[in-house]
Amino acid sequence: GAVVSQHPSRVICKSGTSVKIECRSLDFQATTMFWYRQFPKQSLMLMATSNEGSKATYEQGVEKDKFLINHASLTLSTLTVTSAHPEDSSFYICSARSEQASNEQFFGPGTRLTVL
Amino acid sequence: AQKITQTQPGMFVQEKEAVTLDCTYDTSDQSYGLFWYKQPSSGEMIFLIYQGSYDEQNATEGRYSLNFQKARKSANLVISASQLGDSAMYFCAMRVGTGGFKTIFGAGTRLFVKA
Repeated sequence: GAVVSQHPSRVICKSGTSVKIECRSLDFQATTMFWYRQFPKQSLMLMATSNEGSKATYEQGVEKDKFLINHASLTLSTLTVTSAHPEDSSFYICSARSEQASNEQFFGPGTRLTVL
Repeated sequence: AQKITQTQPGMFVQEKEAVTLDCTYDTSDQSYGLFWYKQPSSGEMIFLIYQGSYDEQNATEGRYSLNFQKARKSANLVISASQLGDSAMYFCAMRVGTGGFKTIFGAGTRLFVKA
């Protein structure tokens, strides 16, 4: 199956700093990628849909100025958490849609962000 | 409104027995897809099974089968011959929208397989 990677897998940062998380589709092109957030023992909440070459579409309640998404190429989307606060600590998971595989969605391994 | 509901926060099953994880959904879309994912403690999302809204037969993938009842808007996952490695969180998900679709998830069910 198609592979999606995320980097870093874990990151710890100080409050007020910005953190960038990368999501890559390794063996397929993805015009659309999705960013999810998962709090401990909770479900995945869709944050935004990232479209290559255009602005991301954010879900209601998600601050677009805080969670910057850039989908600069067909294999890379980045999520930048700006001015991070402890409440931003969470598990962030990306997924990529493969048009070659009947639009199936493949998930990355996730990034655990801890803001001190 | 589009919604996925999983009413079982936790389930126990004896090894080698079958277990059913419940999932109901709500959407006004005629075309949609239903998924089940497994999330072990490592956090990765593992795709298990898919059912399209127009598929007449229930999907099966090895020990996993999806009991799709369209009129009831339910898509229960049946795991046969449970194994200790099946202990994990299980999420039911629905893909909605054409073209620019998105996938939404239920709250999840934690399955514990007992030896």
